[in-house]
Amino acid sequence: NAGVTQTPKFQVLKTGQSMTLQCAQDMNHEYMSWYRQDPGMGLRLIHYSVGAGITDQGEVPNGYNVSRSTTEDFPLRLLSAAPSQTSVYFCASSYSWGTAGNTIYFGEGSWLTVV
Amino acid sequence: TQLLEQSPQFLSIQEGENLTVYCNSSSVFSSLQWYRQEPGEGPVLLVTVVTGGEVKKLKRLTFQFGDARKDSSLHITAAQPGDTGLYLCAGGALRGAQKLVFGQGTRLTINP
Repeated sequence: NAGVTQTPKFQVLKTGQSMTLQCAQDMNHEYMSWYRQDPGMGLRLIHYSVGAGITDQGEVPNGYNVSRSTTEDFPLRLLSAAPSQTSVYFCASSYSWGTAGNTIYFGEGSWLTVV
Repeated sequence: TQLLEQSPQFLSIQEGENLTVYCNSSSVFSSLQWYRQEPGEGPVLLVTVVTGGEVKKLKRLTFQFGDARKDSSLHITAAQPGDTGLYLCAGGALRGAQKLVFGQGTRLTINP
């Protein structure tokens, strides 16, 4: 079972460049989300989607854009990369939202460095 | 903004010892989850607690949700080197439960 697949695993960008982190899940989950993880700060929610065509902002959305054209895919776009966006990015999916009785599956992460 | 504070942030103990990790907030959560994360991987769900006062056991790990649903603890008995990892708590907000809030994590090292 593939679960949640993220690409690329590692990426180095120059300041001002744009790129897209890909996320795909094969579990037919309605809910998908993107988090960033920085040392000492846990995971912070960037954007989330409760179904195809529906997205909303999380805690730290600035500088990022998302779309959800299919149930399976939820790409994260960095519009103009900044050094502050150097982080590890995790995509997650679940059958529903919230935590009660709901297992959230995370991808393996994408390490992004902006120089 | 709801916050979850984990303590300690770092913990290094010897194999066989017991330990407790705490997850505290001033806010009430609808439920709380504990995750474990290995280097180079995403977090993996260990347990979800929903009811105030609830206690769940997973082999040598005991999880408790506070009576007021504002805090939680993870207790490990007779720690083993395989328990080494980053432990994260995450709370589901009362409103907007899709906005999961994570604590900053506890990095646990069990020395043989």
